[in-house]
Amino acid sequence: IQMTQSPSTLSASVGDRVTITCRASQNINIWLAWYQQKLGKTPQLLIYKASTLESGVPLRFNGSGSGTEFALTISGLQPEDFGTYFCQQYNSLWTFGQGTKVELK
Amino acid sequence: DVQLVESGGGLVKPGGSLRLSCAASGFTFSHYNMNWVRQAPGKGLEWVASISGSSNYITYADSVKGRFAVSRDNAQDSLFLQLNSLSADDTAIYYCVRDKFVGGSSPFEYWGQGTLVTVSS
Repeated sequence: IQMTQSPSTLSASVGDRVTITCRASQNINIWLAWYQQKLGKTPQLLIYKASTLESGVPLRFNGSGSGTEFALTISGLQPEDFGTYFCQQYNSLWTFGQGTKVELK
Repeated sequence: DVQLVESGGGLVKPGGSLRLSCAASGFTFSHYNMNWVRQAPGKGLEWVASISGSSNYITYADSVKGRFAVSRDNAQDSLFLQLNSLSADDTAIYYCVRDKFVGGSSPFEYWGQGTLVTVSS
């Protein structure tokens, strides 16, 4: 299963609402996760089952979608949200998207 | 607290071999599916291999199948990855990663800090 994220890079300002999309090459139901990785750090799980927020993750993060089309929305971007985001399907083995770098405009 | 500590990385020549280890603590190791994920410098994440708690289900990414071998020792709470026939494309940080859930489809919850494997002559 191939995972395609867009955009590859997203320039935004603090307070912006941003959306990252992830498309699966075949139906993965809701078996999709989102991770955040900051420079020099390990990835952190944000969302699983497409829309379930991991414990401790701020409510400004929202996941949506099912089947082949998914989205991660951050409402009110905060300084600590800048980094790279990856989607991952775990319906059949595991595949990551290529990543979306969220940078300061 | 869950801890995953990798070791065994280093510089190896093309065609060479290396064995990575991961020491786990803070959870019942034998209950969880464990994984290796790698990240080439400045690149994205690539799942490499997975092994079930009892070692009876093992899977590999196509890019490493036939060259890498994952194993575990539940008595020692340890995970291993044997890397053979290495090429420059295998240069990456290798992370030891634990599933979030016991059994069934699961995302990844805990990551070690990684060990760097550099393949170069």
